[in-house]
Amino acid sequence: ILNVEQSPQSLHVQEGDSTNFTCSFPSSNFYALHWYRWETAKSPEALFVMTLNGDEKKKGRISATLNTKEGYSYLYIKGSQPEDSATYLCAHPLGFGNEKLTFGTGTRLTIIP
Amino acid sequence: GAVVSQHPSRVICKSGTSVKIECRSLDFQATTMFWYRQFPKQSLMLMATSNEGSKATYEQGVEKDKFLINHASLTLSTLTVTSAHPEDSSFYICSARVLETQYFGPGTRLLVL
Repeated sequence: ILNVEQSPQSLHVQEGDSTNFTCSFPSSNFYALHWYRWETAKSPEALFVMTLNGDEKKKGRISATLNTKEGYSYLYIKGSQPEDSATYLCAHPLGFGNEKLTFGTGTRLTIIP
Repeated sequence: GAVVSQHPSRVICKSGTSVKIECRSLDFQATTMFWYRQFPKQSLMLMATSNEGSKATYEQGVEKDKFLINHASLTLSTLTVTSAHPEDSSFYICSARVLETQYFGPGTRLLVL
């Protein structure tokens, strides 16, 4: 993996169901992995910044895991609600202490009421 | 969290004119801000790093004379698209970092006719 890749590109989930999607990133020279939620016409909202292999972070019904050795992170949403509809982006910095972020194209999540 | 505003949210201009986009940190000071661009179905791509009181640094392939950046205060960075052409039509978004997290503005959609 040379760049940040996210899958799937889009996802439709029934309200109440749980779901997850993937962010893949270069596993060499890992520094950090950022997750954002981006609702239409709003600013991207920072969800998590993950730095340690095996790390798991949680914010309400949303959680994320990190595997730096194999270069992937999963984002989980439990009991999806309509307000979870958004594009979820992941990004990683270009180097240690480097503020420049490289983004994936995002996973567009639509919750079906 | 920290709040970043952007103005205008959308702008339509004629080919050959210049357009200025403002990015403000509302409740914190930012010595460094970042400007990204997103074309349809693509990821956010870093254009340049705006440094308060000094010259901006541009990513490879971004013309510094076309995309003028001014960061005259700790709360304001401006991006001016000079002599805009239809191929400059895109979504422009800025960010600033607080500790380990980058906070984004809501973006500006530019359409050049």
